[in-house]
This record gives sequence, C-alpha cells and structure tokens, in this order.
Amino acid sequence: GDSVTQMEGPVTLSEEAFLTINCTYTATGYPSLFWYVQYPGEGLQLLLKATKADDKGSNKGFEATYRKETTSFHLEKGSVQVSDSAVYFCALIYNQGGKLIFGQGTELSVKP
Amino acid sequence: DAGVTQSPTHLIKTRGQQVTLRCSPKSGHDTVSWYQQALGQGPQFIFQYYEEEERQRGNFPDRFSGHQFPNYSSELNVNALLLGDSALYLCASSPRQGAGGELFFGEGSRLTVL
Repeated sequence: GDSVTQMEGPVTLSEEAFLTINCTYTATGYPSLFWYVQYPGEGLQLLLKATKADDKGSNKGFEATYRKETTSFHLEKGSVQVSDSAVYFCALIYNQGGKLIFGQGTELSVKP
Repeated sequence: DAGVTQSPTHLIKTRGQQVTLRCSPKSGHDTVSWYQQALGQGPQFIFQYYEEEERQRGNFPDRFSGHQFPNYSSELNVNALLLGDSALYLCASSPRQGAGGELFFGEGSRLTVL
C-alpha cells in the first residue's frame, strides 16, 4: 500500500546550520506531496506542497522538490533558527478530497 | 476568522467507557476529517465526512463512528475504549473543491484511557 517514510529523529542542529530531512514515498499513482509542521502546543499546519513531478514547494526559507524518479520529497533549509524547532511530517494525498498519508514525523531541535 | 476548533482539549476515561469529541471546521469549509495520532507517530486517517455522510474510512474498527451536522461541525465517537485508544485526536477541515489537498488542523483532543 501507499506509505511515507521519513528519517528518524530527533535531529539536533545549531542555529544557522543547514537542514535536510529525508522523505521517501511509495505510491501506485501520482500523489501530491506535503510537508506539515507541528510546533509545540499547536496544531499541524501546512509548510509547503508540490503537486507534480519536478515541482518545488517553498515557504519560510524551507524548500522541497518532488522527485518522481527517486520517489523523494526531502525538506531543506539553508539556515535554521531556534524558532524552527518542531516536528515535521511528510505526507501524500491522491486527490483533493482524499486522505492524507503521513510519515512518522521527524523532531527537529535547534540550539542557540 | 476562527480556525478549526476542537473540544475538549484533554480528557481521561477508563477502559470500556465511551467518548465523544467535537470539531468545528474553519469558516467556509464543508469537509471534515478525523485523524488519530499516537505518541511519537504520524497521524492516521480515521474517516471523512461531507454532506453529513461518511465518505471515506481508514483502517479503524466499528467502535469508531462519527457524525456531521448541517452546520458542518462534526463529532467522533469511540465506544468500548481500549488502552490503545489513548492518543491525540485531530480534526481537519477543507473545502470540498479547490483545497488542493491542503487541510487545516485543530490543536487536537488528547484522550487518555486508564
């Protein structure tokens, strides 16, 4: 079945370090891909998305490119801040009305 | 503009009891989905409601049931609670058309089953 696999956390970085969180997916069709973020004490919120192969989603300095050939959607940021500390979830969906399939989440901790 | 609101935020039940969780979608949204997030895991899809009917269902037993009201708000009911039902229950809303897959989530209801 369809699934999403993320790199295990927690990931601990110093402020201004480069961030990569790996995400790969298994899908029978052509899903849209998402990164959601869960800040402490808050609900999940959409960080960025890409709807087709080679699309790049970006927001708040974060980027991810939909790579169909490697079935990946890795999240990157050039310089992380303490305020980026959160749990990040990679997810896929097949159609607008469908269900989101989430990865297990990767906790990021950024130290000053 | 209020986002997705859920109640209660926390609750404690004992095995065998029943629980009802409530959700009000974001203004303008008519579709509500429920997810279960166990500690340290990603959310798992329970079901989705649109036009007061269950439209899709994940791999959850019949003990999990729901309802959507004419004002689009929704309830999640869980009967015969098990210890394994302890989790954060998330409600998400979206417009039926034009969402592009983006869901808006509430902060969740944390259920502890003792």
